[in-house]
Amino acid sequence: DVKVTQSSRYLVKRTGEKVFLECVQDMDHENMFWYRQDPGLGLRLIYFSYDVKMKEKGDIPEGYSVSREKKERFSLILESASTNQTSMYLCASIRAGGTYTFGSGTRLTVV
Amino acid sequence: GQQVMQIPQYQHVQEGEDFTTYCNSSTTLSNIQWYKQRPGGHPVFLIQLVKSGEVKKQKRLTFQFGEAKKNSSLHITATQTTDVGTYFCGSGNTGKLIFGQGTTLQVKP
Repeated sequence: DVKVTQSSRYLVKRTGEKVFLECVQDMDHENMFWYRQDPGLGLRLIYFSYDVKMKEKGDIPEGYSVSREKKERFSLILESASTNQTSMYLCASIRAGGTYTFGSGTRLTVV
Repeated sequence: GQQVMQIPQYQHVQEGEDFTTYCNSSTTLSNIQWYKQRPGGHPVFLIQLVKSGEVKKQKRLTFQFGEAKKNSSLHITATQTTDVGTYFCGSGNTGKLIFGQGTTLQVKP
């Protein structure tokens, strides 16, 4: 089975800090995604990547950037964390047939 | 851009009652996928529908894709406490999924 691993389950950061959220998948998938999940808003796409060093903006990229230096790793970066970025962050990888495998999520709190 | 609207947002049922969540789009969808997220967990893939009018079953779960491919539904017959969670539909053309807002199901024993 495909495994998508997010490095942290819970994070607490201070306003203005630079935050890195890491995601690793073990099945050599080209496509990887970052979503944030908020009550009543569902899953909203932040950024995605179709290959190494390639990135595309999703629906809510403001305040975020990403890095894909290796195929298996897709990092989400909050350049200067703000309280409105407190959320659950979910990484996903596409498997054959185009269905998602999600990581366990990182619940980020910015204080 | 493409939007997928999902209703209801919340549903509370008594154990044994049926439950249905609906996804609707103003544009034709190439496919629809359904995911379940248990409380404290992450979304897990349930099923994908691609054909107009398609119906698929998984035990007590029935998934339908509309004839016009603009709507879909997930129906659970005789809910159990293990059905609690949030159900999401999603659709996309280039591997990028746009998700509905999700329906959170609570089941009272």
